Amino acid sequence: GAGVSQSPSNKVTEKGKDVELRCDPISGHTALYWYRQSLGQGLEFLIYFQGNSAPDKSGLPSDRFSAERTGGSVSTLTIQRTQQEDSAVYLCASSLYRTANYGYTFGSGTRLTVV
Amino acid sequence: DQQVKQNSPSLSVQEGRISILNCDYTNSMFDYFLWYKKYPAEGPTFLISISSIKDKNEDGRFTVFLNKSAKHLSLHIVPSQPGDSAVYFCAASDAFQGAQKLVFGQGTRLTINP
Repeated sequence: GAGVSQSPSNKVTEKGKDVELRCDPISGHTALYWYRQSLGQGLEFLIYFQGNSAPDKSGLPSDRFSAERTGGSVSTLTIQRTQQEDSAVYLCASSLYRTANYGYTFGSGTRLTVV
Repeated sequence: DQQVKQNSPSLSVQEGRISILNCDYTNSMFDYFLWYKKYPAEGPTFLISISSIKDKNEDGRFTVFLNKSAKHLSLHIVPSQPGDSAVYFCAASDAFQGAQKLVFGQGTRLTINP
């Protein structure tokens, strides 16, 4: 597609349930990033995939969070046993470059609300 | 540990005047800086960037200034227009970490008043 596509755009879930958030990057982009923005906060790095290299998981806040990228394209971020503090906008971005210096293209995000 | 800080959560400017958004950083290994703009319900979009070997970069109405000794950068918008109303994020990449990911500030909400 022309841009980074994320689904769903909104998700309301009950505390304790698992959720899956999907990201379709721009075709041909080898780098894929997940960030989240909590209310009143900046963009917090979660995880980074680059080609076939092992992902940089250094930003994942707990072992309830995991992500995978299948076939070097679509990525799924999974949050298990959701907590209220997981409520945030989850943003996916992709890039053609190995360096972040050229910036990324972001999707519109998934707004997750845990009730 | 907030390595990139935008200390003004909001800024209000009259249409036609200059908007100045500020950003401070603590990591001396940051070597590339970017500004993103975000409208509600949309993802951030890239606006302008600057390398640490420069002190100024200009693109139309937008100019970014970098003061390495002070670890400070600013975004100037002249003249400000109503469509500039958005949240602006400052971001930096760390050469020591391979410049593979961006560290973002908290954002500044800019409102342009007619």
